[in-house]
Amino acid sequence: AQSVSQHNHHVILSEAASLELGCNYSYGGTVNLFWYVQYPGQHLQLLLKYFSGDPLVKGIKGFEAEFIKSKFSFNLRKPSVQWSDTAEYFCAVNRDSWGKFQFGAGTQVVVTP
Amino acid sequence: DTGVSQDPRHKITKRGQNVTFRCDPISEHNRLYWYRQTLGQGPEFLTYFQNEAQLEKSRLLSDRFSAERPKGSFSTLEIQRTEQGDSAMYLCASSPSGRNYNEQFFGPGTRLTVL
Repeated sequence: AQSVSQHNHHVILSEAASLELGCNYSYGGTVNLFWYVQYPGQHLQLLLKYFSGDPLVKGIKGFEAEFIKSKFSFNLRKPSVQWSDTAEYFCAVNRDSWGKFQFGAGTQVVVTP
Repeated sequence: DTGVSQDPRHKITKRGQNVTFRCDPISEHNRLYWYRQTLGQGPEFLTYFQNEAQLEKSRLLSDRFSAERPKGSFSTLEIQRTEQGDSAMYLCASSPSGRNYNEQFFGPGTRLTVL
């Protein structure tokens, strides 16, 4: 079945560590890619998006993601995390012909002081 | 606050009761989406509207579920004869038309607990 896979369900790391969250999708053709974040008690917020062009996308709060078409991947990175990055992170895929997003299961990230 | 709003934020009901949720999208967003999210999972698509037209429904949306957007503004999601398996967070999102219609803005959700 076509899907969006996030490799880690839980990640625990210390402040100042680097973060990389994996996302793979199994849809062929042109896709639009997103990372959303959900901070504790808050609603889903867009971190960054990729539609076309430069495969390295910069988002808010120092996050970036790289689209590798040959690997069907859109991994999220941050060089140095802060305690405030504790949240759940969701990868999502969309197509121009779709209305919906297809989300991954999410990765819970806990940053310890 | 000009974001997507949802009401109520929490709903506790007994099995077999009907519930209705409301979503107010960002003004002038003509697309409106409903998703369901259960613990440990990402949001799952239920249905979406373009203006007042319901364009797609997921097979997750059984005949106990109905959604409306009568005037192309707010939307309601009704669940009839609720079951314990309906317990979840119900999310609403909206998006603008034009080139940015792919970007969806989410509301805070309605958490449903069916006892």
